[in-house]
Order: sequence, then structure tokens, then C-alpha cells
Amino acid sequence: GESVGLHLPTLSVQEGDNSIINCAYSNSASDYFIWYKQESGKGPQFIIDIRSNMDKRQGQRVTVLLNKTVKHLSLQIAATQPGDSAVYFCAENGRGDMRFGAGTRLTVKP
Amino acid sequence: GEEVAQTPKHLVRGEGQKAKLYCAPIKGHSYVFWYQQVLKNEFKFLISFQNENVFDETGMPKERFSAKCLPNSPCSLEIQATKLEDSAVYFCASSQWQGRWATFGSGTRLTVV
Repeated sequence: GESVGLHLPTLSVQEGDNSIINCAYSNSASDYFIWYKQESGKGPQFIIDIRSNMDKRQGQRVTVLLNKTVKHLSLQIAATQPGDSAVYFCAENGRGDMRFGAGTRLTVKP
Repeated sequence: GEEVAQTPKHLVRGEGQKAKLYCAPIKGHSYVFWYQQVLKNEFKFLISFQNENVFDETGMPKERFSAKCLPNSPCSLEIQATKLEDSAVYFCASSQWQGRWATFGSGTRLTVV
């Protein structure tokens, strides 16, 4: 079936390094993507989104890249901080169901 | 308010009992979503509403799960005759319109014993 998913379940980086979290999707009709961050004991928190008419979008310390040719999405976090430690999810929204992939747990080492 | 309010935070039910979870979406948001998170790394979509109308219910186990979003009332998710495998954190989210990111509540942890 069609799904949204992430490549790696865990990622460990050194504080101050850049982090890259990847996501592959299979529905070529998808036109809107979202990255969420979930900290322990909390609900997912919106980070950044991108529509399919764009291939890059930047926020504060975060950048989302979209490659529609290979159906790949990535989240880049610059100068990763201990507060960035969380589980990151990509999601596809646009048809009323907002499907999530399995998350990537980011651990930031001091 | 600007947050999605879910109640209760924790709910314990014996197997076979009924469980009812509530969600107050952000005022002005037209879409409400319910998710089940069993393992911390996976979200299962259950159902979405556009105002009080079911928008997509393809994820709902129809035999025991039901949900409503009535005007001037919190939305609800009800599980009849709970099973051990229903133990999970249930998240509600709301968004202003279709095709926009959603704001999540902090979840209800359901434990079936």
C-alpha cells in the first residue's frame, strides 16, 4: 500500500553538528508534507511544512528538502542542540487523513 | 484557546469495559483527527472530521470504535468492550483547513488491564 516512512529509526549526532533526517514516500500524488517533532510524553509539534510546488523551504535552523523525482523528503537541523533530542516524523496531508511514517529518534550527544 | 485539549490524561479500564476519550479542538479549526500511538515510533490514523461530519474513517476498527464531533461539544472517541491491544496513547489534532498542518493535543494514555 501507499505509505510515508523514514529511512533510519535512530540517529545520534554531536552537539553543534548538523543533522539530516530522511523520509521516503510512495504516493506520487502527495502534494503537501509536514515534519513533526515529538518529545517524550508530549504530542507531535509542528516544525516545518512544504508543498509539492517547492523543493526547499527554510525555517529557523531547519530546512526541508523535497525531491519529487525520487519521492524523498529530508529535514536538516543546523547546529543541533540537546533540546533537539526527540522523535521526528514526516507526514503527508491533503486528503483528510494525514498519514505518518515511522519516526526517527534523534539523540544529541554533549 | 490555542491548544487542543484532551481529557482525561490517563484512563485505566478492565478488559471488556467501555472507554471514552474527549478532545476540544482549537476554536475555528474545521478538521479534527484521531490517532492511536501504540509503539512510540508509529501513529495509526483512525478517523477525521470536517466540522461534525466524518471526513475519512478508513482507519477505524468499526466493530468497537466510534467517534463523534457534535456542535458545541468536545469531540469524542469511544471504545466498546476494550481489549488489551487497545492499550495506547490516543492523540487528537485539529487544523484550520484540509491540506494544512495540525496542532496536536497531549494525548490520553489508555491502559486496558
